[in-house]
Amino acid sequence: DGGITQSPKYLFRKEGQNVTLSCEQNLNHDAMYWYRQDPGQGLRLIYYSQIVNDFQKGDIAEGYSVSREKKESFPLTVTSAQKNPTAFYLCASSMGRSYTFGSGTRLTVV
Amino acid sequence: GQQLNQSPQSMFIQEGEDVSMNCTSSSIFNTWLWYKQEPGEGPVLLIALYKAGELTSNGRLTAQFGITRKDSFLNISASIPSDVGIYFCAGSSGTYKYIFGTGTRLKVLA
Repeated sequence: DGGITQSPKYLFRKEGQNVTLSCEQNLNHDAMYWYRQDPGQGLRLIYYSQIVNDFQKGDIAEGYSVSREKKESFPLTVTSAQKNPTAFYLCASSMGRSYTFGSGTRLTVV
Repeated sequence: GQQLNQSPQSMFIQEGEDVSMNCTSSSIFNTWLWYKQEPGEGPVLLIALYKAGELTSNGRLTAQFGITRKDSFLNISASIPSDVGIYFCAGSSGTYKYIFGTGTRLKVLA
């Protein structure tokens, strides 16, 4: 079945470390997105990519980086410059009017 | 970044009651989506609306695309305990980016 796979489900990071969250889709969608969700909050857009090798900053891109080398993959790196990285991270993909989310990665700084 | 105004923010209802929630925007949208998110999971698409005035049902759920194209409504009839979760609206003006509501947290009392 087609879908979006995010891994890992849970991730722990020490302060000062970079970590990379994986997002893979087999829906043949052109566009992919990363969102951050804090407890009791809505979704805030970090980065999005409409095509391979191209991506744009969203509303809260500082402290994050992405790459889009393949259509199927859109990894997110949370850098040490992100001062408050503990959150639930959601990846999504879309083509036309179809918009699908992954099951999320919960990142905790220890 | 822009977020849609979604109300109510939270609801506590008795099992069997009907539920209504809505989203409003200052911008005109071409597409409205409604999602449900359960704890620790990604949002799952419930209903998609593509035309002003459109009324679409999915089981006990009914959603409407407002005539002004600046609002949308979701109704849940005869609520059951598994309806618990956060309901999000999302709107798009036809670009790759969707704008999300702040969510309505629904709790059903048996």
